[in-house]
Amino acid sequence: ETGVTQTPRHLVMGMTNKKSLKCEQHLGHNAMYWYKQSAKKPLELMFVYNFKEQTENNSVPSRFSPECPNSSHLFLHLHTLQPEDSALYLCASSRYGTSGGETYEQYFGPGTRLTVT
Amino acid sequence: QKEVEQNSGPLSVPEGAIASLNCTYSDRGSQSFFWYRQYSGKSPELIMFIYSNGDKEDGRFTAQLNKASQYVSLLIRDSQPSDSATYLCAVYTGRRALTFGSGTRLQVQP
Repeated sequence: ETGVTQTPRHLVMGMTNKKSLKCEQHLGHNAMYWYKQSAKKPLELMFVYNFKEQTENNSVPSRFSPECPNSSHLFLHLHTLQPEDSALYLCASSRYGTSGGETYEQYFGPGTRLTVT
Repeated sequence: QKEVEQNSGPLSVPEGAIASLNCTYSDRGSQSFFWYRQYSGKSPELIMFIYSNGDKEDGRFTAQLNKASQYVSLLIRDSQPSDSATYLCAVYTGRRALTFGSGTRLQVQP
């Protein structure tokens, strides 16, 4: 098991629901990421947070809203999703620094399998 | 041209053989290179990383990097059926996140 946890592991929601995905890392990292992985498709980077600041938003629709209250926790708030948003949502973390000692390898959580009905 | 390219496979090898997985990347400024293993329905697991030209060995795994040719490979010796998975190549180019290839599916035949 890695030091990145995600809840819930499975989620089924209707298109009018609002739900949130939670990620927590216990590795002392300061950068966190959300990825989407659809069936038979490569990983798609959604959001990057570095030292709690959002540094990248890869043209993700506004029905996905990230929140990073501190460097250990990351949320993805979901509302009015579409069936094509059904996918595995992966959280990852890494150590990113500006003064040396940074490592760029990312460690993934187990993912949340989301089904939108 | 994709930033990180991998043959999607499947690459099929018999048990006990060497599996060779290849990856090319387009950004000459790429600094760090990673291999992840992903079992079906699971999340990617980091198995190797390499920063310098040459070979890096860890158990049955060897990562090879050739920056001049913009090529990184992963060799798996004595392949086992449990090695059957999708292997993702990832590259750090100096931007905020890794760039992933689409993965190569490896099948090890018992």
